[in-house]
Amino acid sequence: QSVLTQPPSVSAAPGQKVTISCSGSSSNIGNNYVSWYQQFPGTAPKLLIFDNNKRPSGIPDRFSGSKSGTSATLDITGLQTGDQADYYCGTWDSSVNAGRVFGGGTRLTVL
Amino acid sequence: QVQLQESGPGLVKPSQTLSLTCTVSGGSISSGSYFWNWIRQPAGKGLEWIGRIYTSGSTTYNPSLKSRVTISVDTSKNQFSLKLSSVTAADTALYYCARDALTYHSDGSGYSYYFDYWGQGTLVTVSS
Repeated sequence: QSVLTQPPSVSAAPGQKVTISCSGSSSNIGNNYVSWYQQFPGTAPKLLIFDNNKRPSGIPDRFSGSKSGTSATLDITGLQTGDQADYYCGTWDSSVNAGRVFGGGTRLTVL
Repeated sequence: QVQLQESGPGLVKPSQTLSLTCTVSGGSISSGSYFWNWIRQPAGKGLEWIGRIYTSGSTTYNPSLKSRVTISVDTSKNQFSLKLSSVTAADTALYYCARDALTYHSDGSGYSYYFDYWGQGTLVTVSS
């Protein structure tokens, strides 16, 4: 069971917008920065968003992140079939079991 | 462009020690504010952080694996390594090495970390 909670799957049609949520607590999301990763089958995860809402060079502005309280959100607008992948949120957990933590992942299906 | 490459045996017997090495190219493992991490992913499942090392040798491990994990660094070879002892079938997974970029935020919000570079991953199967 993951420390951060994500919906197992989301789906939307091409061109639409989808939102992926990531819920945590004050020991992780509430007091630390969140990053998001995109993973296609058979490949390593790729950094999509860091510091809650910043995009690395080369990531389209269709991808955006935000954080409020103990939850974070990844929005993808103008969905493309090539966005079909697994998405993971991650952060640092400052509890007694300190360390890096991830959400369980969300599979995005572009219908 | 920084690149990471995992290497090591793909098959380990139960109760033995899993040993993997990550070779970093395109940059010195000693330079900058970076942690060097191991992360694993069982087939069809999510990501699990194993632990990390700073170039000073300082380590932090996942509490659930801490008793079995050792991560070390060899700056002369630009490599860092993972040892996981007393393995069982539950340790069968794709193992990734990844760089953790450390940023200090002067607005008082502290540090942020994010995995900016990943290796391609290496599959380790625990079986007799």
